[in-house]
Amino acid sequence: GQNIDQPTEMTATEGAIVQINCTYQTSGFNGLFWYQQHAGEAPTFLSYNVLDGLEEKGRFSSFLSRSKGYSYLLLKELQMKDSASYLCAVLLYGQNFVFGPGTRLSVLP
Amino acid sequence: DAGITQSPRHKVTETGTPVTLRCHQTENHRYMYWYRQDPGHGLRLIHYSYGVKDTDKGEVSDGYSVSRSKTEDFLLTLESATSSQTSVYFCAISSSGSGQETQYFGPGTRLLVL
Repeated sequence: GQNIDQPTEMTATEGAIVQINCTYQTSGFNGLFWYQQHAGEAPTFLSYNVLDGLEEKGRFSSFLSRSKGYSYLLLKELQMKDSASYLCAVLLYGQNFVFGPGTRLSVLP
Repeated sequence: DAGITQSPRHKVTETGTPVTLRCHQTENHRYMYWYRQDPGHGLRLIHYSYGVKDTDKGEVSDGYSVSRSKTEDFLLTLESATSSQTSVYFCAISSSGSGQETQYFGPGTRLLVL
């Protein structure tokens, strides 16, 4: 089976840095994606990693270690609008995406 | 925003009735997906399509069927709705088999089965 784990909830302060971890055990691997989902809305794409290392996109960075089955999403200079759920997803072979349960991030003033 | 719409956006139905949800895209993307999202479970794949009339099952396909007769439309049918199928349903599209193109999600359909 496929297994993806993320913390259920996290809290951080406006202006701070937060790291959201994701561990996975899957039967295949063709890339790891991070999505942001505000309450009542659709998920939107944040980042994609297929090779080991760090990918940076403005205030958001994502890291991947394939040998450890581990990724994290780093959010810098947190803003109130970053309060949302963050979904980790693995693309398996055959174009199947498997999603983790999501991490609900609350940013406090 | 990717051109992807879902209809209806909200639906209330009774147990045992058939329900069809529609996903429509204007991007001419090859791949289309149906997910359901429930608290504590995240997004779970129901069915996906890799071309016209080409579909495959996902993780939670029991009780659901799909059809894709045109590139732009992907239909999800609940043959006989049950209360356990109360959920938020998302359609998604992607253009590439390489994974470098991400999925774009529709706005979702909230389905309540009484």
